[in-house]
Amino acid sequence: DSGVTQTPKHLITATGQRVTLRCSPRSGDLSVYWYQQSLDQGLQFLIQYYNGEERAKGNILERFSAQQFPDLHSELNLSSLELGDSALYFCASSVDSPGYEQYFGPGTRLTVT
Amino acid sequence: GENVEQHPSTLSVQEGDSAVIKCTYSDSASNYFPWYKQELGKGPQLIIDIRSNVGEKKDQRIAVTLNKTAKHFSLHITETQPEDSAVYFCAASKGRGYQKVTFGTGTKLQVIP
Repeated sequence: DSGVTQTPKHLITATGQRVTLRCSPRSGDLSVYWYQQSLDQGLQFLIQYYNGEERAKGNILERFSAQQFPDLHSELNLSSLELGDSALYFCASSVDSPGYEQYFGPGTRLTVT
Repeated sequence: GENVEQHPSTLSVQEGDSAVIKCTYSDSASNYFPWYKQELGKGPQLIIDIRSNVGEKKDQRIAVTLNKTAKHFSLHITETQPEDSAVYFCAASKGRGYQKVTFGTGTKLQVIP
């Protein structure tokens, strides 16, 4: 158990809908990272927050957005969902912004039908 | 940006044999190289990492080597056990000050009892 929690574990929704994925980092970790894992794309870095502020952006679509709240939990919002958005979404956390070690949560499996 | 290539994509070994997974990276500024193990239905778990000022690091049956000149690094697992069966990912980042971690495409390791 990494100490990072994610909810929900599974999510099934229809195209065009909007969903919110939630992540709670390990106690004491200030940074939260979001990754998308699909069969053909591997693990793709989406975005990183540190203590409430966006710090780095990867291959995140404009339809996706994220935020980190004062209690340090983070939410990833996915809108206008397409079939291709079906994937595993992982959250990871680390101690500080330039922290090396990232600890991953169990993931949310999103299925868009 | 950084590009990480990982080989092989699948690897089968007999229990007790050694397994080697190799990765190459493109950005010479990368200086942090973690390895993750992902078991079915779980998030990636950090198993070992190496920084660019170190050529080799060992942790029990696991070792990682780094050749900065050739820009490649490898994971070595000795005396493999069935519980080593999983997908292994290598990754590279510029470490402190840079949050983006680029992952390899993964190696599915099967240890045959």
